[in-house]
Amino acid sequence: KNQVEQSPQSLIILEGKNCTLQCNYTVSPFSNLRWYKQDTGRGPVSLTIMTFSENTKSNGRYTATLDADTKQSSLHITASQLSDSASYICVVYSSASKIIFGSGTRLSIRP
Amino acid sequence: DAGITQSPRHKVTETGTPVTLRCHQTENHRYMYWYRQDPGHGLRLIHYSYGVKDTDKGEVSDGYSVSRSKTEDFLLTLESATSSQTSVYFCAISESSGRFSTDTQYFGPGTRLTVL
Repeated sequence: KNQVEQSPQSLIILEGKNCTLQCNYTVSPFSNLRWYKQDTGRGPVSLTIMTFSENTKSNGRYTATLDADTKQSSLHITASQLSDSASYICVVYSSASKIIFGSGTRLSIRP
Repeated sequence: DAGITQSPRHKVTETGTPVTLRCHQTENHRYMYWYRQDPGHGLRLIHYSYGVKDTDKGEVSDGYSVSRSKTEDFLLTLESATSSQTSVYFCAISESSGRFSTDTQYFGPGTRLTVL
C-alpha cells in the first residue's frame, strides 16, 4: 500500500534552534518527493522538489535530504524563526500517477 | 497564491442541500485538482482535471462531482451535502501531472465548509 508517514506529529522548539522533520514512504514506483509548508489558514506552498537522483536540496534555511534506498527523507530547518511556525507536509509522487500526502508535522517556534 | 482564487472562502450549509465550490486560475495551467483536508489526514484528492471537459476521480470522489467548461474554472459540487463532508477544500493547479516532471503544484487559499 502506498503510504507516507511523517514524524513527529508535532514539535515545539525555541527560536534560533535547529530541527529536523522526518518522512518515510512506501510509494512505488517512485517519481519525486516534495516538501510543502502550510501556514495556518493558508494553502500549502512548495519548499523543495527532489527526484530519485538527488539526495540534497536547499531553499534558504531549509535543507531536504532524500535516501531512495531506505525510502526516507528529512527536512532540516536551520536557525528557526517565528515565521517557521507552520505545518510541513511531505508529498510523494508516483510515476503511476498517484500523489500521496503525509499528514504533516506541526512545528511551533517559541520566542 | 499564484493566481488562484476560491469562492466562497467560508460556507455553512445544511445536510441534504447542494453546494458548489469554485476555483478560478489566471495561470493558464492545464491541470486542476480538488482536495479535502481533515485533521489527522493528509490532503486527499477528490477529483482532478487534465483539460477542458477532461476530468477523473481521485481517492475520495464519492458524493462529489466536478465540471470544467473553461481552462480557468474548475467547479466542485456536493450534490447532497452530508456532515462527513465538513472539511477544508483546497484547489490546486499545475502545468503537468507531476508524474515525470518536477513542476510545482500551486494551492489556493482554501474553502472552509461546514455541513450542519
